[in-house]
Amino acid sequence: SQKIEQNSEALNIQEGKTATLTCNYTNYSPAYLQWYRQDPGRGPVFLLLIRENEKEKRKERLKVTFDTTLKQSLFHITASQPADSATYLCALDDTGTYKYIFGTGTRLKVLA
Amino acid sequence: GAVVSQHPSRVICKSGTSVKIECRSLDFQATTMFWYRQFPKQSLMLMATSNEGSKATYEQGVEKDKFLINHASLTLSTLTVTSAHPEDSSFYICSAFSMGEQYFGPGTRLTVT
Repeated sequence: SQKIEQNSEALNIQEGKTATLTCNYTNYSPAYLQWYRQDPGRGPVFLLLIRENEKEKRKERLKVTFDTTLKQSLFHITASQPADSATYLCALDDTGTYKYIFGTGTRLKVLA
Repeated sequence: GAVVSQHPSRVICKSGTSVKIECRSLDFQATTMFWYRQFPKQSLMLMATSNEGSKATYEQGVEKDKFLINHASLTLSTLTVTSAHPEDSSFYICSAFSMGEQYFGPGTRLTVT
């Protein structure tokens, strides 16, 4: 069956450290993978998109990797800040459509 | 970036009544919008794809007669939850693509009592 798995347990890290979140998928062949931030009671906010032929993408303190062999994406936040505390969702495209399928998200808490 | 709005942000209704939620793209036109539902501590589940000028496409297991979608213009899609029941209480979120990026509305919290 098709699955997108993110660590359901909350991730607590100290301010200034690098946070690394994982997204694993099964029985999908995405051309695109996206990462979103969602704050409580709010809609998701787009952060980064990475294509299947890209290994890595960076944007300011954010870095995303995409390994189509391992069927995994890693999302890194360097020099983390308490304001980075939120739930982070990965989403990948349902092949041949505009639809995106979302993982369950990982809640990140950056401790001051 | 593009902005998507939703109205209302919160609504409480009695069981058996209908509720309409609006989704607007404020500074761009969207021929396609998406409606999602999110239960507490769960991920977004795609309910349907709203197409301007044509019928919506519903995901498997979503009742099209219960969740009526109307995409009457390039900037407005509406979702009407008909004969709402307590189990329909959820967070409803719409989205639209602009320049290759998906923009989400702020969501509507529906509580059915």
